[in-house]
Amino acid sequence: SAVISQKPSRDICQRGTSLTIQCQVDSQVTMMFWYRQQPGQSLTLIATANQGSEATYESGFVIDKFPISRPNLTFSTLTVSNMSPEDSSIYLCSATNSGSREKLFFGSGTQLSVL
Amino acid sequence: AQRVTQPEKLLSVFKGAPVELKCNYSYSGSPELFWYVQYSRQRLQLLLRHISRESIKGFTADLNKGETSFHLKKPFAQEEDSAMYYCALSASTGFQKLVFGTGTRLLVSP
Repeated sequence: SAVISQKPSRDICQRGTSLTIQCQVDSQVTMMFWYRQQPGQSLTLIATANQGSEATYESGFVIDKFPISRPNLTFSTLTVSNMSPEDSSIYLCSATNSGSREKLFFGSGTQLSVL
Repeated sequence: AQRVTQPEKLLSVFKGAPVELKCNYSYSGSPELFWYVQYSRQRLQLLLRHISRESIKGFTADLNKGETSFHLKKPFAQEEDSAMYYCALSASTGFQKLVFGTGTRLLVSP
């Protein structure tokens, strides 16, 4: 199994600022993803973090607002840029490894509150 | 478009009672369906996936393509089953681009 460390676990930020969330996996994984869970809603995929290339964003999410990096197979960052109160959510990193029992693992999440 | 619907936000049962958490999906192709669980103060984790046909912690789920459902069942609920349960769908093999339902909170009372 893979263990995903995500930090910060929570933060309170001012409108207009940016926050970078880090995701570290303890083993090499094939794919890494970033999800958002707004209050009272389900998890929504933001993007797939591609190693060494630009992330693949889902409809409704853009690179300027959510720049993502993945410099190697075990680390990724998500930045929430120019934040507004509507960005208050839980942000989750997830990863999957290949193998006979391929599984999707989740980080513990980052609780973001924007004032 | 892919969609997963979990009609119940909260399901409250007594210990030993049967449990059924409902999940319906919409997708024109052949989806893969999953159930994820989040216990209090723990991270989200995979409970089971339909292609493995496993029974995990006494839970089972059968994919019914005719009714486009993937309901989660357990014959006798335990207090430790209390958690948030999410149904999820993948349009491709594996875990790429999971679409999640809104979740059902299961509360098992003694």
